[in-house]
Amino acid sequence: EVQMVQSGAEVKKAGESLKISCKGSGYNFNDYWIGWVRQMPGKGLEWMGIIYPDDSDARYSPSFQGQVTFSVDKSIKTAYLQWSSLKASDTAMYYCARHAIFGVAITPNYFDPWGQGTLVTVSS
Amino acid sequence: SYELTQPPSVSVSPGQTARITCSGDALPNQYAYWYQQKAGQAPVVVIFKDSERPSGIPDRFSGSSSGTTVTLTISGVQAEDEADYYCQSADSSGLLWVFGGGTKVTVL
Repeated sequence: EVQMVQSGAEVKKAGESLKISCKGSGYNFNDYWIGWVRQMPGKGLEWMGIIYPDDSDARYSPSFQGQVTFSVDKSIKTAYLQWSSLKASDTAMYYCARHAIFGVAITPNYFDPWGQGTLVTVSS
Repeated sequence: SYELTQPPSVSVSPGQTARITCSGDALPNQYAYWYQQKAGQAPVVVIFKDSERPSGIPDRFSGSSSGTTVTLTISGVQAEDEADYYCQSADSSGLLWVFGGGTKVTVL
C-alpha cells in the first residue's frame, strides 16, 4: 500500500525555524514527484510546489518562492518542508502528496495519496 | 497569476443531483482534477483528466468539460457526499498549478 506519513503537530513562536517531514512507503520513493499543499484555518487548498526526490529538483509556486524550502533525504525516503523564520501567518495545515505520474518528466497531474497533514501553529 | 473559480456552496437533497462548476481560461488546454475533502481529513481524488474516475470511487461521481468550464456531477447524492470539493489544474504554460477556491456541498 502506498502511504505518505507526516510528522506530528508543531507549536512554535514567530521567528523560530521549523522543518516538518513526509515519509513515503510502498513505492519507489525516488521516482515520483512530491507536492506540498497549504490549508489555512477554514480556507481552501493552496499549491506550494513540488520536489523530485531523485535529484532534488524543486519547483515553487510564486506565492511561496523564497518563503519555504523543500528538501529530501533519499536514504530514509523522506521529504521535508522548512521555514527559517516563521510568521503567525504560517499557521496552517500542511499536506504532502505523491504526484500521480512516475518519472522525472513533470506535467500537471493529480496527487495521490496524500499524507494526513501536519498542523503548524505559530504564535506572535 | 492564474485562478480557477468555483461557487462557494451547493445544497442538494438526498437522491438528487449536485453539479459543481470550475472555470478557468486555460481549461480548454489543461486537464482538471477533482478532490473531495471531508471534515478533518486529507483530500482524496474523485475525478482525474476531466472525466476519469479512479478505482474505488463510486460511479455516481462523474466529470465533464466544455470550453473554459469543467463540471463535477454527483448523481443520487448521499449523506456521505457532504464535503468540500476542489478542482485543480494548471495555467497554459503548465508551470503554475492551482486549486479552485473550493465548493462546500451540503446534503439537506
